[in-house]
Amino acid sequence: QVQLVESGGGLVKPGGSLRLSCAASGFTFSDYYMNWIRLAPGKGLEWLSYISSRGGNIYYADSVKGRFTISRDNAQNSLYLQMNSLTAEDTAVYYCARAISGAYSALDYWGQGTLVTVSS
Amino acid sequence: QLVLTQSPSASASLGASVRLTCTLSSGHSNYAIAWHQQQPEKGPRFLMNLNSDGSHSKGDGIPDRFSGSSSGAERYLTISSLQSEDEADYYCQTWGTGIQVFGGGTKLTVL
Repeated sequence: QVQLVESGGGLVKPGGSLRLSCAASGFTFSDYYMNWIRLAPGKGLEWLSYISSRGGNIYYADSVKGRFTISRDNAQNSLYLQMNSLTAEDTAVYYCARAISGAYSALDYWGQGTLVTVSS
Repeated sequence: QLVLTQSPSASASLGASVRLTCTLSSGHSNYAIAWHQQQPEKGPRFLMNLNSDGSHSKGDGIPDRFSGSSSGAERYLTISSLQSEDEADYYCQTWGTGIQVFGGGTKLTVL
């Protein structure tokens, strides 16, 4: 069965960095676009970034452009999110999610999330 | 600008039905959307993909109690025979060039 497992969250100081990982299994990872989405306390879901199946197409939300970098390793069935210059507003649960078919499609499988807390 | 609008909250009684609404912004009334459910302390769960003509395809294991329909720029999620575990946040999602967009979510309370 399709499984997505995020890891790498934790407590980080403002201005710090963190790298999140998403381990995929149960499907041919290299065939799918992948996304990062977050849920901040008291707020709704916010899309952050997606990456095409081979990594050649990447987009970011304005809120993280220039600070976050999405990448993938298809040989390792893994998705990553490098987060730099973190602020308190980046405190959230971070999810990876699979797109059904390419960039213009719904997200059909989600991970359970990893919590990132930015605080001094 | 591609925007999805949802009411912040809804409530209905155990065993009853409820219809949640997601409204597409002007100029985007032909867009498909997806509905997702997020129960407390869990990751979101894909419910269905919903097209502008009302046709929909559900995710794995989604009960028949969940259905979708469309009218103009509005996309609906109807949940019948409400159960306690249906108490959750419900988000609609759509997509455009280089972006994914989520509605603000509707918190459903089962009375």
